[in-house]
Parts: sequence; C-alpha cells; structure tokens
Amino acid sequence: SQTIHQWPATLVQPVGSPLSLECTVEGTSNPNLYWYRQAAGRGLQLLFYSVGIGQISSEVPQNLSASRPQDRQFILSSKKLLLSDSGFYLCAWSVLGTAYGYTFGSGTRLTVV
Amino acid sequence: GQQLNQSPQSMFIQEGEDVSMNCTSSSIFNTWLWYKQDPGEGPVLLIALYKAGELTSNGRLTAQFGITRKDSFLNISASIPSDVGIYFCAGTLTGNQFYFGTGTSLTVIP
Repeated sequence: SQTIHQWPATLVQPVGSPLSLECTVEGTSNPNLYWYRQAAGRGLQLLFYSVGIGQISSEVPQNLSASRPQDRQFILSSKKLLLSDSGFYLCAWSVLGTAYGYTFGSGTRLTVV
Repeated sequence: GQQLNQSPQSMFIQEGEDVSMNCTSSSIFNTWLWYKQDPGEGPVLLIALYKAGELTSNGRLTAQFGITRKDSFLNISASIPSDVGIYFCAGTLTGNQFYFGTGTSLTVIP
C-alpha cells in the first residue's frame, strides 16, 4: 500500500534562518507531488507541484522553493525565513490523470519567531 | 488557480443535529471529492463522486454530485463530537489537477 511521510511534525525557526521540509512517498512510482500551505483555520493554498524528477511548477511567487531530487522525494526550502512563512505545510501525492484525488501527509506546523 | 466556494464558512451546532454544506464552482467538473481535516492533521478523503446526480453515503455522511456538474453537497446526520474539523470539497475535470474549496469549519457542541 502507498504511504506518505512528512517531517518534522513541528518546527520553530527564527526569522532569517533556512528551512528544509521533506516529504517521501512509498509504494508507488512517478507520483505527482504537491506542497500546500494552510493559514490557521483557513483553506489550502497550492505552493508547488511536480510531475517528475527535477520538474517543479510554482503557483505563487514567494520566499520558498521546492526540489524533487528523487522520484518519490519532495523538498520545500527557504534560504531566509520570514514571519509570514509561518503556517501549516502539507505534502500530497496523486497519480496523474486519475480521479482518485490527493493523499495528504500529516503536515508540518512551522512557526517563525 | 481556480478556487471553489464553500458555504457556510463555519458552523456551530449541537450534538445530534444534522449538518448541510455545499460547494460551488464556476466551471463543470467530472469528479467531486469531499475531505475532512482533523485539527493538526492532513485532510483525509471521505467520499468520491464520479457522475452527475450521484448520491453516495459513507456511514452518517451523504454527498451528492450536482446535476449541473458545478456543485456538490455534503450532509452529516446526527452529528457527534468527533465530526469536528474542516471539511473541504475538491473537483477536477480531467483528473490532472484538483481544485480545492475554501473549507467549512464545523464545531459540535456536546
């Protein structure tokens, strides 16, 4: 069966520090991968998606970047965090062209102080 | 990207009451999904709908694919405290990208 792992679960970082959040998927190959951000109690904002290794599409201009160094690994990064980067970050995967929807990870709560 | 409008934005109900929420889109979809997000967790798929007019149940939850293909509805009967969370709809035309709703936050008062 397919599983998605996201870590860390919580993170408190000072303003100006770097960020690296990691997401891995097991039990499938060539998944579509997504990074979402969610402000407290609000909707899901799509940040990045990837249809293959090294292929990253950005939905909104921001202080963050994403990379996909391996087929089932998706990394969200920042060189210098801003206070506004605080939020709940969710990784998700899907199979291209199927209507089964996305499977989400358990999320990372990032607080920038 | 496209965002779907969910209504109501939030609900505060007594335990045992029924809940109704809906989701509307400006364009047609071939698939509608409903997710629930528990506090501090990622959303989990509840129900999937693949045909206009389809009515599908999952326990106390019932969802419908609107006949115009631009809306979907979710009902929860006899709510219980563990129904608390944010409910998201999602839709797609091709299956290549899903668009998510703005979410309905549900609070159940014991």
